Formats: sequence, C-alpha cells, structure tokens
Amino acid sequence: DGGITQSPKYLFRKEGQNVTLSCEQNLNHDAMYWYRQDPGQGLRLIYYSQIVNDFQKGDIAEGYSVSREKKESFPLTVTSAQKNPTAFYLCASKLAGGRADTQYFGPGTRLTVL
Amino acid sequence: AQTVTQSQPEMSVQEAETVTLSCTYDTSESDYYLFWYKQPPSRQMILVIRQEAYKQQNATENRFSVNFQKAAKSFSLKISDSQLGDAAMYFCASNPLYFGNEKLTFGTGTRLTIIP
Repeated sequence: DGGITQSPKYLFRKEGQNVTLSCEQNLNHDAMYWYRQDPGQGLRLIYYSQIVNDFQKGDIAEGYSVSREKKESFPLTVTSAQKNPTAFYLCASKLAGGRADTQYFGPGTRLTVL
Repeated sequence: AQTVTQSQPEMSVQEAETVTLSCTYDTSESDYYLFWYKQPPSRQMILVIRQEAYKQQNATENRFSVNFQKAAKSFSLKISDSQLGDAAMYFCASNPLYFGNEKLTFGTGTRLTIIP
C-alpha cells in the first residue's frame, strides 16, 4: 500500500535530550513537510523540503533540524534547544511540479517531555 | 502572506441533518488552493475537499460541498446527511497555486459533534 508512515506513534523525552522523529513515504512524492500541532491551534510549519539534499525553514524552525538524504525519508530532530517540544507532530508530502498539489499526511507522532 | 480564520470553535448537528462550517481567508496571491481537512480522534489529517480559486464552480465530494465566494474571501463547508463518522475537527487551509511558494496555512479548526 502506498502511504506515509511516521514512527514512533508515542515518544517520551527527558529534558536536555535530542530525539528524532521518522517520516517515510512510498508515494514517489517530491516535497515533504513537518508540522507541529498544539491544543486549540491549527498546524504550524516547521521545515519543508522540495528536493533531496535541500530544505527550508518554516514559521517555527528554532530548536528543530531536518535532513533529506533520500527522496522517501525526511526525519525531524527535536533538539534540546526547543523550549517547549511537547506537541503532536505531523509529516506530509506531495507531488512537485509547476502547479502545487494537495498535501497528504501521515498518522503523526505524539512527543511528550518528561 | 496568508491568514485563515475559522470563527466557530465548536458546532453540533443532529444525525442526518445538514451543517455548514465557516472559513474566511486573506491572501496576497492571485491564485491559490483552498482545502478542508478532517482530523478524527485518531488525529490523522484527511483531505475532505479541495477548491482551486480560479474555478468558479463550487467543488463537491459526495455529501461534502463548498460555498466559495472569492470576492468575499469566504470558503464554507456544507455536510449533508450528517453521519456519526463525521464527528471530528475540521480545518480550513490555503496555499498558493504554484510550486515554489509552499506554505499551507491552517485555521484553528472547528470541532464538529454529531448528535444521534
């Protein structure tokens, strides 16, 4: 089945630790995205990548880092510099091209800082 | 820059009835897409319906339809024959039409409850 997978579903982090959230897609999509969702708010863009080995900061990139070494994978690292990392994280992907297309989402990862 | 506003934090509807969720937006782009996404308790974001702003005809997907008023920058979602499975958070979103300006901007959501 084609789709977007995120792992783990739940993640617990101690203060001062870096953690990496996985996002993989087998849809042959070019562009991939990371969003953060807090209670009572919509999604906010952290980072996005339109092509392998290239990525851009979104609205709330501070304290996060990403890599895009393969088309299928776009891992997100939440560093100790992120002051309030407890949130729900969603990965998305879409086709690229001259006209933007619809973003499709993975099932998400719930990160809790202990 | 784009902004999306959903002024109804919560809505409820009787099963089998019709409900309309409101969304207004602002954008400096000349062409753009508008979306409604559904987020059920599982929290996965699911595309409900999409509208291309340059198309005047309102999009329809089975029981879901939109009322797109470009001049008023309004994009409401109508759900007909509401079902228990429609209970979810609904998010309105927009992004520019052309690749290269990638930001998908979301509203704060409307929680829809279906009353049996």
